Amino acid sequence: DQQVKQNSPSLSVQEGRISILNCDYTNSMFDYFLWYKKYPAEGPTFLISISSIKDKNEDGRFTVFLNKSAKHLSLHIVPSQPGDSAVYFCAASAAGGSQGNLIFGKGTKLSVKP
Amino acid sequence: DGGITQSPKYLFRKEGQNVTLSCEQNLNHDAMYWYRQDPGQGLRLIYYSQIVNDFQKGDIAEGYSVSREKKESFPLTVTSAQKNPTAFYLCASSITAQYQPQHFGDGTRLSIL
Repeated sequence: DQQVKQNSPSLSVQEGRISILNCDYTNSMFDYFLWYKKYPAEGPTFLISISSIKDKNEDGRFTVFLNKSAKHLSLHIVPSQPGDSAVYFCAASAAGGSQGNLIFGKGTKLSVKP
Repeated sequence: DGGITQSPKYLFRKEGQNVTLSCEQNLNHDAMYWYRQDPGQGLRLIYYSQIVNDFQKGDIAEGYSVSREKKESFPLTVTSAQKNPTAFYLCASSITAQYQPQHFGDGTRLSIL
């Protein structure tokens, strides 16, 4: 049973517009959430994180929103650039526990067209 | 430059052989992790270590073994008991296990000859 779900395998956006990537989770014990960007044959690159005590976190063009009641988070990229084209993974952790290991979604492939 | 180094980038194994994947970090991170990625899938945790000389099984540990004798090193052995070893293997580390982002190496692609 998938605990972290990214229901859109792909997303295509025009350069300069907003990209919105979505993620749903089922485990109410998750309290730390992250987004990673990945190019083929490379390791994921950390983008932004949010803990469950917040509902929004911004870093430059990237903003993550967390809706705990809906068990939903989203990543907004504004404005989108062609270099943002990659696979984006949502990850979650019950970091308040002893493990801290991440549970990943299957990813959403973002294509930003010039 | 600080970072995580995985070697080799490509690795081939014959049936019945054990093979060891290297992971070294110079970030002074306490926690280290091994993940496996299959095509079209997310990353799945194989083993993790929160501190030297301690490690725990992840979701798919069968057929794998690890050691953590030094803070900076966390090698993964893929044994002959792993029935489907062909995959992309990723090593990660974090300052501590809780509330810290994990930073990844560039991976090792293992293939069966």
